[in-house]
Amino acid sequence: GQQLNQSPQSMFIQEGEDVSMNCTSSSIFNTWLWYKQDPGEGPVLLIALYKAGELTSNGRLTAQFGITRKDSFLNISASIPSDVGIYFCAGQRTNAGKSTFGDGTTLTVKP
Amino acid sequence: GAVVSQHPSWVICKSGTSVKIECRSLDFQATTMFWYRQFPKQSLMLMATSNEGSKATYEQGVEKDKFLINHASLTLSTLTVTSAHPEDSSFYICSALAGSDNEQFFGPGTRLTVL
Repeated sequence: GQQLNQSPQSMFIQEGEDVSMNCTSSSIFNTWLWYKQDPGEGPVLLIALYKAGELTSNGRLTAQFGITRKDSFLNISASIPSDVGIYFCAGQRTNAGKSTFGDGTTLTVKP
Repeated sequence: GAVVSQHPSWVICKSGTSVKIECRSLDFQATTMFWYRQFPKQSLMLMATSNEGSKATYEQGVEKDKFLINHASLTLSTLTVTSAHPEDSSFYICSALAGSDNEQFFGPGTRLTVL
């Protein structure tokens, strides 16, 4: 079954607001990944984290790999309408590429 | 970045028929591909790991005789849903590993509807 708890499940925010979502696990992961999925499409990688404590940015997105290796968060600053979509965290235990996905956070941005 | 394609993008079939979905890595070779299934408003659930030149590794609870996987070349993996039933209706997504970091690139998905 699913081993990653992602929250919140959904968010409704105003354009320009900042967003924060997180993922927690009962077990350790060696890699944390954050993806965005638009309706009817496959996920697209936003940020990859490989080291405990690592803080990485990609434009308005910032993600951190928790020190315990059991959690990660994603922040989006100054949201815009095109940020709408479903955001998934994923964890990997090995470098073989096999990922476990969180349940997703559905983001709605009101103009 | 690396591009992964899937064909068809959507398919509607009658109950009892078999459907084949193709996953291709367009500009790179992939010894490992993954097949996921995603039901509406749910997460991606890994079905199996497809290894070029060898048998696929299936996740617990996934019937290997129902979901046949063939990875006959370094750029193509196929998933055949045999004797499809309405409960098999779902969004099937493949991914392929590329690069020294084994980054996972996803295909655009295939929407299967079984009537």
